[in-house]
Formats: sequence, C-alpha cells, structure tokens
Amino acid sequence: GESVGLHLPTLSVQEGDNSIINCAYSNSASDYFIWYKQESGKGPQFIIDIRSNMDKRQGQRVTVLLNKTVKHLSLQIAATQPGDSAVYFCAENNNAGNMLTFGGGTRLMVKP
Amino acid sequence: DSGVTQTPKHLITATGQRVTLRCSPRSGDLSVYWYQQSLDQGLQFLIQYYNGEERAKGNILERFSAQQFPDLHSELNLSSLELGDSALYFCASSLSGLNNQPQHFGDGTRLSIL
Repeated sequence: GESVGLHLPTLSVQEGDNSIINCAYSNSASDYFIWYKQESGKGPQFIIDIRSNMDKRQGQRVTVLLNKTVKHLSLQIAATQPGDSAVYFCAENNNAGNMLTFGGGTRLMVKP
Repeated sequence: DSGVTQTPKHLITATGQRVTLRCSPRSGDLSVYWYQQSLDQGLQFLIQYYNGEERAKGNILERFSAQQFPDLHSELNLSSLELGDSALYFCASSLSGLNNQPQHFGDGTRLSIL
C-alpha cells in the first residue's frame, strides 16, 4: 500500500500495552475534534469525536482527552493489538463551516 | 466499511489530461466533502457540497471543479493535470452540512500522473 507521509512520527508499543497518541491543534476557535485511523490502502476511519464542552470521552478501548488551555488532544488505546497498527490523525473543526483540518499523523506500530 | 463509495480506485493518466472522480455518500447523508492527500501536504480539504449546493471551499485549484447531483452523488473534475496532482483523493460524507458532525470517508482514488 501507499505510505501516508514518509517522515511521520512513529510510536512503537508492545502488544497488550496501552498507547497514547498526542496532537497539538492550532486554532483556539476549534470546537469539535475527531480521531481517525488510516490503514494502508484505506481511507481515514472514524474512531471517536469530542466537542469542546467536554474534556474526556470514552469509547470501546479508546479514550480521547481534550485540554483546551494548551490546545492539546490525545488518544489513548487500551490493550493495544496488532490490528491497531495504522496511522492516526487528529482533525479539528474550527466552526468556519464543517471542513476538517488534519494534523500530520502518527504511525502506531504494535510489536507482537 | 464506511458506506462511502469511490470510483475508480486507481487512475493513471498523463499530464494535460482531464479526469473525473466519483463518490456516492452514505445512505441518508446529504453533505459530501473532497480531500486531497499527498505526501508533502497531508490531508487537505478541497470543497464541500450540501444537498446539491456548494457550501465551503478550501485550497482547491481553479483547474479542479466539483458538483453534487440530485441523487446526492458527487464528482470531482480535475483538468490540465500536472505531475503535482498525483495524490490520493478522498470523499467523505456527513448527515447534514452543519458543523460538528462526523465525516465518514471512502477508500479514495489514487491518481497517478505520468
């Protein structure tokens, strides 16, 4: 499959460990954030979203944390599995229409 | 499977040519978005349509145009193609054109310009 960016930061974790992927966003007016997972040869897959009136949201094995003070977003994946290996993107909606602005992505590699 | 369908999966053509990429949104979604993903620019928003009308425009070149048809499918037209237009082109859809709604992506069209 194609490579999504040759120089992506990479996070390498052992299977079963927890993973934390971080994202800094730029626009303090952004009020909606989404994490996407992109596997090779596929489009971005919606994982979880959070609105700016929340600081934490949990899904199945995933948690998103939002710190508006420092404009920071994180995705926590519990008990990371080989199938979690992918590139993860954060995206922000700055309320100027529903367009999303994407971060550069982080490659997660899970070692068996 | 996101429910968003894009065709073709791969397209190879030459500089100066014109191509049309097609997208069918998820059932019930009224808004479609086009994004370009290249190695050096990442994922960039191009244009949004809602219920047949253009809603928002990003960094879309004048050589590119799009439309959304009454059946809600959308087409992205790329003309006078240049080597730098080689990229992945993704379509996404959402329920409405309102802010703060998740967008669901198709698997993209890989465009290669020779």
